Amino acid sequence: SQQGEEDPQALSIQEGENATMNCSYKTSINNLQWYRQNSGRGLVHLILIRSNEREKHSGRLRVTLDTSKKSSSLLITASRAADTASYFCAINFGNEKLTFGTGTRLTIIP
Amino acid sequence: DAGVIQSPRHEVTEMGQEVTLRCKPISGHDYLFWYRQTMMRGLELLIYFNNNVPIDDSGMPEDRFSAKMPNASFSTLKIQPSEPRDSAVYFCASSLGAKTQYFGPGTRLLVL
Repeated sequence: SQQGEEDPQALSIQEGENATMNCSYKTSINNLQWYRQNSGRGLVHLILIRSNEREKHSGRLRVTLDTSKKSSSLLITASRAADTASYFCAINFGNEKLTFGTGTRLTIIP
Repeated sequence: DAGVIQSPRHEVTEMGQEVTLRCKPISGHDYLFWYRQTMMRGLELLIYFNNNVPIDDSGMPEDRFSAKMPNASFSTLKIQPSEPRDSAVYFCASSLGAKTQYFGPGTRLLVL
């Protein structure tokens, strides 16, 4: 399966701490994207990183991509209660589709 | 910008009934995707369109599922006849140039 595998499946941290989640894949990619899904809602795009990029930032988000290890990580700094959600990596393998990972359920404890 | 609009938001039906889910993509977007999300299988791509033309329907689970996009501002996903295992949240997403996808709020379907 080309599906991205995410770990951990679930993560609980105290508000203010940093949260890191990882995504691994098996074949070469065109780009990798991260999405957030709040409970009962649709997915919201967070950030896109291309295969020739190693790191991108957006506000409190930092995404890294290591194509040699076929993995990506999403770091959320100074977490807030509003960051509680599920986070998905989505991989573009060069066509028009995205293949979504299994997701990490993040809980921020106030 | 109204975003992607889906209707209905919730649907409860009995096994064997026909179900029609509707989607209005963001104006100007040229791609439209239908996904299904369940706890067991995660988020699965069912079918996607480019400029109203179906490009890949390999994710459609069975012949009971069909999708149409008669124009750039409207798409439907139909299940006929519905079965309990079709219970899931169905999402529609649109994009410009097949990059960042914008998701609708989803339709939560329960087939009894």
